[in-house]
Amino acid sequence: GAVVSQHPSRVICKSGTSVKIECRSLDFQATTMFWYRQFPKQSLMLMATSNEGSKATYEQGVEKDKFLINHASLTLSTLTVTSAHPEDSSFYICSALTTSGAYEQYFGPGTRLTVT
Amino acid sequence: DAKTTQPPSMDCAEGRAANLPCNHSTISGNEYVYWYRQIHSQGPQYIIHGLKNNETNEMASLIITEDRKSSTLILPHATLRDTAVYYCIVNTNTGNQFYFGTGTSLTVIP
Repeated sequence: GAVVSQHPSRVICKSGTSVKIECRSLDFQATTMFWYRQFPKQSLMLMATSNEGSKATYEQGVEKDKFLINHASLTLSTLTVTSAHPEDSSFYICSALTTSGAYEQYFGPGTRLTVT
Repeated sequence: DAKTTQPPSMDCAEGRAANLPCNHSTISGNEYVYWYRQIHSQGPQYIIHGLKNNETNEMASLIITEDRKSSTLILPHATLRDTAVYYCIVNTNTGNQFYFGTGTSLTVIP
């Protein structure tokens, strides 16, 4: 199957700083990528839809000025958590959508963010 | 926004078949049933999907009822590595976003 990577796999940052998470589709082009957040013992919650070359679409309740998404190429989307606070500590997962044949989503391995 | 309901947890003996049910009574005619699983602290892994016919691949079988209001994922010979949270999702096969429900936590017991 298609491969999606995330970098970094885990990051610890201080409160008030910003953190950038990268999501790459390694062997296919993805015009659409999705960002999810998952708190402990909970399900994945969709944060936003990232479209190459256009502004991201955010789910209700997700602050677009706090979670900046950039999808500058067909293989890379970035999520920047600005002015991070301890409550932003979570597991952030991206997925990339293939469009060759059937539409299938492939998920990255996730990024564990801890804000101290 | 999840349109599926699943039991929160299930146990299965190693080597036996694991049958995971999912209810999706409000599924639309153009929506597929997708199954993913998530092993602890990893990204979800695609298992299988189908529209109305039963499907089988190297990982599992998907049985969809005739009225399409429910489905069952079957892992024919469960192993310890199949312990994970299994998510059933309904979605049109047009690249729309997925909304995850609470899933079923499957524990395979030695």
